[in-house]
Amino acid sequence: AAGVIQSPRHLIKEKRETATLKCYPIPRHDTVYWYQQGPGQDPQFLISFYEKMQSDKGSIPDRFSAQQFSDYHSELNMSSLELGDSALYFCASSKPLGNEQFFGPGTRLTVL
Amino acid sequence: AQKITQTQPGMFVQEKEAVTLDCTYDTSDQSYGLFWYKQPSSGEMIFLIYQGSYDEQNATEGRYSLNFQKARKSANLVISASQLGDSAMYFCAMREIDSSYKLIFGSGTRLLVRP
Repeated sequence: AAGVIQSPRHLIKEKRETATLKCYPIPRHDTVYWYQQGPGQDPQFLISFYEKMQSDKGSIPDRFSAQQFSDYHSELNMSSLELGDSALYFCASSKPLGNEQFFGPGTRLTVL
Repeated sequence: AQKITQTQPGMFVQEKEAVTLDCTYDTSDQSYGLFWYKQPSSGEMIFLIYQGSYDEQNATEGRYSLNFQKARKSANLVISASQLGDSAMYFCAMREIDSSYKLIFGSGTRLLVRP
């Protein structure tokens, strides 16, 4: 069965650089969620989209922005990267009125 | 505010035995969902089991079952017949139906299965 696809899987950036993380949800899933998991931490909700509209916003820095496109894939744009942005970034998707959220494999971002 | 508490930072279990991972939650909503995810050392988050607040029966998925006690606000995960591959981090999470369906996670329990 198709799963959530995230790219890239690993990313190394310098401080103050920008990064773009991509997420391709499971086909026919209309909702996308982004989570950030710091080292030894639990995942923290960043932002979500439903039918290409932002549906909720969590503890996402102003330096980050995201959107969902017409084909339902989503991109998380991160600017002025800081050392503390080093984390595992998960995208999850769910189908309309679905209970489960299925997570992608994550993008491991390292900021040097 | 909703909150998930997992009081066991780490646990050991002997292979083939059953183990219970504790999870308590706090919410003022009547409608909510409870989830368990497994995170192996490779990092991916694997969905294990879901329990809705209005579900009268405890959820089961293969060797996983959720011991849901609504009055006590607990949603413990029971893994039967533990296998070496069960060694991982386990997260309990909650979603309030009235919100955007985002998940709030507990701090996790690291389970190590001994041969």
